[in-house]
Amino acid sequence: NAGVTQTPKFRVLKTGQSMTLLCAQDMNHEYMYWYRQDPGMGLRLIHYSVGEGTTAKGEVPDGYNVSRLKKQNFLLGLESAAPSQTSVYFCASSLPPTGGRYFGPGTRLTVL
Amino acid sequence: TQLLEQSPQFLSIQEGENLTVYCNSSSVFSSLQWYRQEPGEGPVLLVTVVTGGEVKKLKRLTFQFGDARKDSSLHITAAQPGDTGLYLCAGPTQGGSEKLVFGKGTKLTVNP
Repeated sequence: NAGVTQTPKFRVLKTGQSMTLLCAQDMNHEYMYWYRQDPGMGLRLIHYSVGEGTTAKGEVPDGYNVSRLKKQNFLLGLESAAPSQTSVYFCASSLPPTGGRYFGPGTRLTVL
Repeated sequence: TQLLEQSPQFLSIQEGENLTVYCNSSSVFSSLQWYRQEPGEGPVLLVTVVTGGEVKKLKRLTFQFGDARKDSSLHITAAQPGDTGLYLCAGPTQGGSEKLVFGKGTKLTVNP
């Protein structure tokens, strides 16, 4: 099992550009999450999904959109990137929501 | 807002020493999770504690959940360089178990 995979691993964008981060899990987990990790701020929840076709807002959803068209995939989109979105982005999944999170290796995004 | 405060923020010790890191809150949590994150990787779940007063052991790591379920500690015996990493605690918020709140972490360095 690969667990949770994320692509790309690194990306540099210019302000105003758009991009999509892809997350895939092969554990048949219902719940998937997108977090961002910033120095001094810890891990913060952006959006999450409780199952295929569903999405919900987390703590810091502004500027991001998500889609869960297939159970194994969770996409995070930035429509118009801003320097404040420079961060490390982690995707995670869990079986029940009370269960531990299985994290991907992260995507380091820099917005110039 | 439920917050998790972790202390110390940074800890640098020599191989073979013992250490304890703390995760505290003014709120009651139904459970707490501990993760370790190594540089350039996603967090990895170490343990979940669910009962007040519970003690769990994972080799040289001992986790304790406070009787009032407002705090937790992680004790490492005879630390090794492989224990180096960022230790994070996390707990479900009153808004739902999907919305896990993370502490900012304790960055541990074990020097050979």
